[in-house]
Amino acid sequence: EAGVAQSPRYKIIEKRQSVAFWCNPISGHATLYWYQQILGQGPKLLIQFQNNGVVDDSQLPKDRFSAERLKGVDSTLKIQPAKLEDSAVYLCASSLDLEGREQYFGPGTRLTVT
Amino acid sequence: SQKIEQNSEALNIQEGKTATLTCNYTNYSPAYLQWYRQDPGRGPVFLLLIRENEKEKRKERLKVTFDTTLKQSLFHITASQPADSATYLCAPRGGYNKLIFGAGTRLAVHP
Repeated sequence: EAGVAQSPRYKIIEKRQSVAFWCNPISGHATLYWYQQILGQGPKLLIQFQNNGVVDDSQLPKDRFSAERLKGVDSTLKIQPAKLEDSAVYLCASSLDLEGREQYFGPGTRLTVT
Repeated sequence: SQKIEQNSEALNIQEGKTATLTCNYTNYSPAYLQWYRQDPGRGPVFLLLIRENEKEKRKERLKVTFDTTLKQSLFHITASQPADSATYLCAPRGGYNKLIFGAGTRLAVHP
């Protein structure tokens, strides 16, 4: 079974530039999550999709972050414009459904904003 | 607000000993709690899930307890090996079935 795929693995941009991350979840997984993990901290949920609908985006900075999950499969997370404090690892995860299932994480994208 | 606390200092133990990691949570009552392992440069990997009506759960050398009165979960690795060295994340369930992750405890098992 293929795992969660993410790209790119690394990205360096200057502040005020834009960046996009891509995620392909495990086939058949209805729920998809985007997390931000700052060095030394645990992952923080940014947005949670059930199929192609948003379940929770309460911690997504909507003035600069946006995410979509077209056709309930792949997802993209965009930051525009980036700030220095956005430097972090962005993790995508998927689970079979919402009901207390384990989450499967991708390798993450390490973003550095200079 | 909901808060998760894990030992911020690294836990150093000798190979063969039992490692015990602590997770405390405040200001809510999660229906379940998960534990994950994270290696440097990788995403977290699911280890165990324990529900509020379960006192203890085991999987091979791993054991998790869940005390809803103390608002605490303990994670044990018996007969620890150097390959167990990693950061272990506690994640109680929050609203909408989302997980709230602690900052993790780094475990180092020395030969």
